[in-house]
Amino acid sequence: SQQGEEDPQALSIQEGENATMNCSYKTSINNLQWYRQNSGRGLVHLILIRSNEREKHSGRLRVTLDTSKKSSSLLITASRAADTASYFCATRKPSGTYKYIFGTGTRLKVLA
Amino acid sequence: EAGVVQSPRYKIIEKKQPVAFWCNPISGHNTLYWYRQNLGQGPELLIRYENEEAVDDSQLPKDRFSAERLKGVDSTLKIQPAELGDSAVYLCASSGMGAATTGELFFGEGSRLTVL
Repeated sequence: SQQGEEDPQALSIQEGENATMNCSYKTSINNLQWYRQNSGRGLVHLILIRSNEREKHSGRLRVTLDTSKKSSSLLITASRAADTASYFCATRKPSGTYKYIFGTGTRLKVLA
Repeated sequence: EAGVVQSPRYKIIEKKQPVAFWCNPISGHNTLYWYRQNLGQGPELLIRYENEEAVDDSQLPKDRFSAERLKGVDSTLKIQPAELGDSAVYLCASSGMGAATTGELFFGEGSRLTVL
């Protein structure tokens, strides 16, 4: 079962533009993570935000978390062709379990 | 440091045949995950191990799927017999546990199964 749903399902932008994708989830969380997956490859961790945090930055990535709305957003600034990939959010429940549930993903295409 | 290693990368079999996937996690990671990813979808958890113990296998179709993690290190996921609907990428991931860890999952490259 999927905990999160990403929006939009697909996004196509020009190189240099910013890309924003959203994740909505259903239950309370301990933390939320974003992962990238290049075609035919495994997932790579990008950034983790804890339930008591509202915003985090890492390089060109900015993640926000709104626990009242059960949603998160990932912003990629000054996008590059190499950012073309699928992006997934993953949530962990607060119960102490290390079970991570992934969303449905956003397919980003950055045009050179 | 070596990452999560999976084999085989690709497997094509006829339906009703058995198939097995192997995963070697990052050294010292006591939590191991098997996910299944259908085309265009996010990974779905099949089973999670903490050391040798399967602590979450509610999504594993136990009539045909089995998994083991002997000695709390390598893991094998088996399907017998395979059905057409089992065609997917099977991803293995590992992570550490506890306050000292970052909580991130480290994924292997996946094993792509095609059932004909």
